[in-house]
Parts: sequence; C-alpha cells; structure tokens
Amino acid sequence: GAVVSQHPSWVICKSGTSVKIECRSLDFQATTMFWYRQFPKQSLMLMATSNEGSKATYEQGVEKDKFLINHASLTLSTLTVTSAHPEDSSFYICSARSTAKNIQYFGAGTRLSVL
Amino acid sequence: AQSVTQPDIHITVSEGASLELRCNYSYGATPYLFWYVQSPGQGLQLLLKYFSGDTLVQGIKGFEAEFKRSQSSFNLRKPSVHWSDAAEYFCAVGPGGSQGNLIFGKGTKLSVKP
Repeated sequence: GAVVSQHPSWVICKSGTSVKIECRSLDFQATTMFWYRQFPKQSLMLMATSNEGSKATYEQGVEKDKFLINHASLTLSTLTVTSAHPEDSSFYICSARSTAKNIQYFGAGTRLSVL
Repeated sequence: AQSVTQPDIHITVSEGASLELRCNYSYGATPYLFWYVQSPGQGLQLLLKYFSGDTLVQGIKGFEAEFKRSQSSFNLRKPSVHWSDAAEYFCAVGPGGSQGNLIFGKGTKLSVKP
C-alpha cells in the first residue's frame, strides 16, 4: 500500500529555534499534501494545504510566516516551525493525497516539544 | 456547515464482543466517507472508505461500515473485538475529486477489557 514517511518522529528544541519536518510519499506522487496539528485527546486540525509548485493555502488563524511550507517536488513537502515557542509543542501529522485513488495517506506524525 | 460528529468519546468493550462506533455527518454535497485508526503516538491508518456503490463497505482488520444516507451516518462495526483494536478511531468526510481536505470527527477512544 501507499506509504508516507514523516521525519523526524520526535524532536525537542529550545525556544526560539526553528524546526523542519519532512513529509515524503514513498511510492506515489502527491500533488497535494496536508499538514495537521493534533492537540492531546483532540481531533486533527488542518493547518494548511500544500500544492506542488505553488504557495500553500493556510487555514484561518494559522500564521503562514511561522509555519513555513514548501512543496518543491511531487513527493516531498516540508513544514518549518520558525522561532518555536512552548505553545507550539504539539503533534504534527502530514498526509499525502493519492490522486489516482482519492485517498489521503498519513505519516506517522512528529511530536514537537519546545523547551 | 460541514461537520462530523462522533457522539461517543470513549467506549470500553470486552474482548470478543461486538463493536459499533457511531459517526454522523453534515455535508452539502455527496460525501466521501472514511474511517481511520490511530494508535498512541502514531499517525492515522485508513480502515475503510465509501465513495459510491454498495453501502456496506469492508475494510482491513475485520472492520466494516454502513453508509445510511437517510440518517447521515457511517457507523463502524466489528463482530468480535481483539485487544489489539484498542486505539483512537476517527471518522472523516471529504469531497470527491483531487482537491479538498478531510473534515474529522473528534474521535472515539476504544478500550478493550480482557
């Protein structure tokens, strides 16, 4: 089946530093990838839709200058949390849409802890 | 407004017992419906999906779900639960086509008693 690799799975960083999270579709091309944030015991909240070769579309309330998204190829999207603060600590999950199957395949998630 | 409601926050069943997780949706167009499972600290794994056709869909791990348009429901069922089924289950709805994101319910946590 389709596989989405998300890296790193866990990152701890100091307040003020930037963290990059990668999302790769391993065996299919994804023109669209999604970035979600999940708070403890909560559902997934869509942060942004990442389209290959164009600017990402951010959901209301998500700071695009803080959460930088790059989708430079059909198999890779990156989310960079800039100048991270403790309130950015969360579980971030990416997904890649298989156009052929109209299904989103999810990465295993990245747990970000900002000290 | 588009939304997904999972009325049960937490369900506990005995191993071997049957399971039904409820999902109701509100969606303006013909919905594409999904059930995902999430183990602690993990991403989401697709259990099954409904796009069209037979309203009873079979998924992985012995799960099935039935789409009932009149009730705007897409309940997940399993005849006999195994301890390894303990996880968080999310129902989601989305548009057809290649664009558009999924709308998730808040999830139902399943605990399994020995």
